[in-house]
Amino acid sequence: QSVLTQSPSVSEAPRQRVTISCSGSSSNIGNNGVNWYQQIPGKAPKLLIYYDDVLPSGVSDRFSGSKSGTSASLAISGLQSEDEADYYCAAWDDSLNGLVFGGGTTLSVL
Amino acid sequence: QVQLQESGPRLLKASETLSLFCTVSGDSIKTNYWAWIRQPAGKGLEWIGRVSATGNTNYNPSLKSRVTMSIDTSANQFSLRLSLVTPADSAMYYCAREQGGDDSIDHWGQGILVTVSS
Repeated sequence: QSVLTQSPSVSEAPRQRVTISCSGSSSNIGNNGVNWYQQIPGKAPKLLIYYDDVLPSGVSDRFSGSKSGTSASLAISGLQSEDEADYYCAAWDDSLNGLVFGGGTTLSVL
Repeated sequence: QVQLQESGPRLLKASETLSLFCTVSGDSIKTNYWAWIRQPAGKGLEWIGRVSATGNTNYNPSLKSRVTMSIDTSANQFSLRLSLVTPADSAMYYCAREQGGDDSIDHWGQGILVTVSS
């Protein structure tokens, strides 16, 4: 059972927009920045979004992040087949004094 | 370009101690935090802990009693020790750079697959 909650899977058609959600609490998302990672099967994760909504250099602007209260979201617009991957949210948890991950969401581009 | 490379034994027996090393190139290990994350086959990511250049550590509470992390600034290398392993510790282990300000993990090693037999 992960501290941050994500839906296990989501699917959408190419060129459409999809949103992946991440739910936490006041000790993590509610008080700290949320980071998002993309993991293509067989590869190491890659940082997509940090500090809730900041894109690292080199990440496509089709990706965007937002946060409200104790929940965060990752949006992907203009879906492409290459976006098929697992997506994880993460945040520091003040109560656990450690980094916690969501269980991950598998995105299928139909 | 920051690169991280894990090394260590890939096969252990239950009750042994796992020792992994991560060699960093392209960045000084004297800045940032340096973390270990693991991922059992077909499952999600689990943060094991992190170490700073000054030796400060933070560990996942669920693993804290068995984990030790250390850092060797002269070798630009950091390490993980996990004692009393069981088959449940079988996983891909990643070393990574963790930014202290926002706790983002911006550089990852390729991972090393560790299997624990009973």
